[in-house]
Amino acid sequence: EIVLTQSPGTLSLSPGERATLSCRASQSVSSSYLAWYQQKPGQAPRLLIYGASSRATGIPDRFSGSGSGTDFTLTISRLEPEDFAVYYCQQYGRSPYTFGQGTKLEIK
Amino acid sequence: QVQLVQSGAEVKKPGSSVKVSCKASGGTFSSYAISWVRQAPGLGLEWMGGIIPILGTAVYAQKFQDRVILSADESTSTAYMELSSLRSEDTAVYYCARDPGMATITYFDHWGQGILVTVSS
Repeated sequence: EIVLTQSPGTLSLSPGERATLSCRASQSVSSSYLAWYQQKPGQAPRLLIYGASSRATGIPDRFSGSGSGTDFTLTISRLEPEDFAVYYCQQYGRSPYTFGQGTKLEIK
Repeated sequence: QVQLVQSGAEVKKPGSSVKVSCKASGGTFSSYAISWVRQAPGLGLEWMGGIIPILGTAVYAQKFQDRVILSADESTSTAYMELSSLRSEDTAVYYCARDPGMATITYFDHWGQGILVTVSS
């Protein structure tokens, strides 16, 4: 199975700053079949990005995704207070459709 | 507007089984895959498997293949996940999640609210 490793485990930033989250795959993810989700405590995950770089419906343009092959990045250009949450990447190129272990974005 | 509403919390004994449901509204139920994703307390997300009702096929993660049965009732737009031989490590929140594409399992744009399944003697 494809193992996704996210880094850093925790990222401490202030509102207004730029956040860069990494997701590295143990094998190449075919056709950039990679998604990003945001999860807040007590809530279900919310889809942010699919196809490595396409924003889901209703997602603000401060969220952007990039990458291909084994290295992918989620960037939040200017953090808003509501962006502090846990972020997961997921590959859907090959079953089982695995998730990364998550990056917690916390307020500094 | 697609909505997935899951059944209520469950408490089960080790060795028993649990069957949880996920009722969909909005959209065409049978054309879209429903996957099940679980999250143990304080941990990450784990895909268990998915079912495509219109094809009548289910795909399972190998880890769960021997213990999970996914099913769907098109007449009530409800998907089910049954997990057997429960152990304490199965204590988790179980989410159903819908695929945005037809007849495929990819990423998930709609999620249920989650069901806490607790396995304890």
